[in-house]
Amino acid sequence: GAGVSQSPRYKVAKRGQDVALRCDPISGHVSLFWYQQALGQGPEFLTYFQNEAQLDKSGLPSDRFFAERPEGSVSTLKIQRTQQEDSAVYLCASSLEATGNEQFFGPGTRLTVL
Amino acid sequence: GENVEQHPSTLSVQEGDSAVIKCTYSDSASNYFPWYKQELGKRPQLIIDIRSNVGEKKDQRIAVTLNKTAKHFSLHITETQPEDSAVYFCALHSGGYQKVTFGTGTKLQVIP
Repeated sequence: GAGVSQSPRYKVAKRGQDVALRCDPISGHVSLFWYQQALGQGPEFLTYFQNEAQLDKSGLPSDRFFAERPEGSVSTLKIQRTQQEDSAVYLCASSLEATGNEQFFGPGTRLTVL
Repeated sequence: GENVEQHPSTLSVQEGDSAVIKCTYSDSASNYFPWYKQELGKRPQLIIDIRSNVGEKKDQRIAVTLNKTAKHFSLHITETQPEDSAVYFCALHSGGYQKVTFGTGTKLQVIP
């Protein structure tokens, strides 16, 4: 079946613009994660959903970042008033169950803020 | 939050030699320890994982060992091949749900 998909794959935004990044997890996967990966660094946890419930948003860098998964499947990460430091690859991952197992990553969205 | 230290940051080996990457952590509640391989511009992909009730796991040329007492786990790649060249990340899951922390990565270069 299809893996995790993300769109757009590349996004260029002017500083101050709002952006929305989409993640389509594997069908039936309970858990969904968002990560931010800066160049040369490991993925940094942003937020975690179990079905439609956002159980952890402790990694969101500021209140400009907002994520939702209203129907427990597709998720959107929104960044308001983008800043240059928001430039990174945003990775989405899903896993079948709620606790400790393999995560399947999407290809990421590379965000560049000018 | 959870702290994960990964060493070395870069590693060059001759083709056929072994490579070992080590991660140490602090949260004794951590219960799942995956390793990911990430090629340039690609997504991370799971290569092997281990749970807290197991000390060692092997899959062909790849093995992972876990020492819960000392709070470290290691990735071992034997008979390295050029296609093993990539960045490798350790990670761990802790807490009642899946708070995931990644290591800082090891860039492995296998020299033909």
